[in-house]
Amino acid sequence: RKEVEQDPGPFNVPEGATVAFNCTYSNSASQSFFWYRQDCRKEPKLLMSVYSSGNEDGRFTAQLNRASQYISLLIRDSKLSDSATYLCVALSGGSYIPTFGRGTSLIVHP
Amino acid sequence: DAGVTQSPTHLIKTRGQQVTLRCSPISGHKSVSWYQQVLGQGPQFIFQYYEKEERGRGNFPDRFSARQFPNYSSELNVNALLLGDSALYLCASSTGTRTDTQYFGPGTRLTVL
Repeated sequence: RKEVEQDPGPFNVPEGATVAFNCTYSNSASQSFFWYRQDCRKEPKLLMSVYSSGNEDGRFTAQLNRASQYISLLIRDSKLSDSATYLCVALSGGSYIPTFGRGTSLIVHP
Repeated sequence: DAGVTQSPTHLIKTRGQQVTLRCSPISGHKSVSWYQQVLGQGPQFIFQYYEKEERGRGNFPDRFSARQFPNYSSELNVNALLLGDSALYLCASSTGTRTDTQYFGPGTRLTVL
């Protein structure tokens, strides 16, 4: 079983839709979590960190569920420019090595 | 300020050859990490260096090696290239604290024929 698992998608949604991605992690010692965005043939860029209490940044909301060992990303009012691959990242306690999921592809269409 | 830079941007090699990829971190960053990303997968961790010392190594064969220089730039070397080494090689820099954001360079796209 992979340490960090994501549904590769693609998630195909119309503009204005709300879409949510989940990411599960297998290492219960994981303590820090992040969402990165990667555009086609570009480098990953940090979208947001995920805090235990959940956090929001504009149209984006990240949640952490430690009991079920998953994190989620909710995107409201999807824009065409949100089309990208969203990478989930987990960092175990005491480790400096982040583990990336394979990414979830989002396609927002007019 | 300049971001993370990598060179070359593209590279074509044949099986059995050796390759050296280079990375310059953001000014002030002391940690560099290397990742391999094949199409359809997330980045796979190869190495992390901090203050010129190896701080972590992923599950890659000994054909892969790296080092960090006093100016914190880094090189990744891959010997005896295989077709399966074809990938995007990403370098990321950070200040070095455990939960610090990693900033990625544009990557080097390596094709092995």
